[in-house]
Amino acid sequence: AQSVTQLDSQVPVFEEAPVELRCNYSSSVSVYLFWYVQYPNQGLQLLLKYLSGSTLVKGINGFEAEFNKSQTSFHLRKPSVHISDTAEYFCAVSDPFSGGYNKLIFGAGTRLAVHP
Amino acid sequence: DAGVTQSPTHLIKTRGQQVTLRCSPKSGHDTVSWYQQALGQGPQFIFQYYEEEERQRGNFPDRFSGHQFPNYSSELNVNALLLGDSALYLCASLEGLAGYNEQFFGPGTRLTVL
Repeated sequence: AQSVTQLDSQVPVFEEAPVELRCNYSSSVSVYLFWYVQYPNQGLQLLLKYLSGSTLVKGINGFEAEFNKSQTSFHLRKPSVHISDTAEYFCAVSDPFSGGYNKLIFGAGTRLAVHP
Repeated sequence: DAGVTQSPTHLIKTRGQQVTLRCSPKSGHDTVSWYQQALGQGPQFIFQYYEEEERQRGNFPDRFSGHQFPNYSSELNVNALLLGDSALYLCASLEGLAGYNEQFFGPGTRLTVL
């Protein structure tokens, strides 16, 4: 079964600094990969997704992620963070080619705390 | 477009009771999925409804059941509540079953079991 590991439970960073949130998934078969953000007391919002094609995916709010098949990783990056980026970030995978359709399997989340 | 809406926002129940949570999908969406997010964890897939049928199910006991109505709205029912059922319950909707279609999440229902 698929699993997702987010390597850092918390990432503190200063405003305007770059940040990378790490994500590894368990299977080397073809999968779809996603990053979601969750602000306090809100649902999840899609930041970006990888379905196929270019391994560098650009999303909303200046975020991007790079798909690395050999390392089964999908790390999220932002070159300069803002206070408003403080939130919980979730990496997720779906395995549509094994009958999983659009069932999302999430990691445990990474809490990004941006300090002034 | 109101997006995905869920009701109620918060709910407090005692052990052994039953609860019903409701979800209205985003306009144009016909598929609804339910997720359970325990405190400090990522969401876990409960089940998914399409064309009023349960299409996929995660590793949850039969105490968790659901329904989808002809207008695509959905209910999640949990019987014989346990303390461990305390969580944020998220509903997500999308168009069809394709994995490449974006899923839109509602704000969730916070269930507390005492």
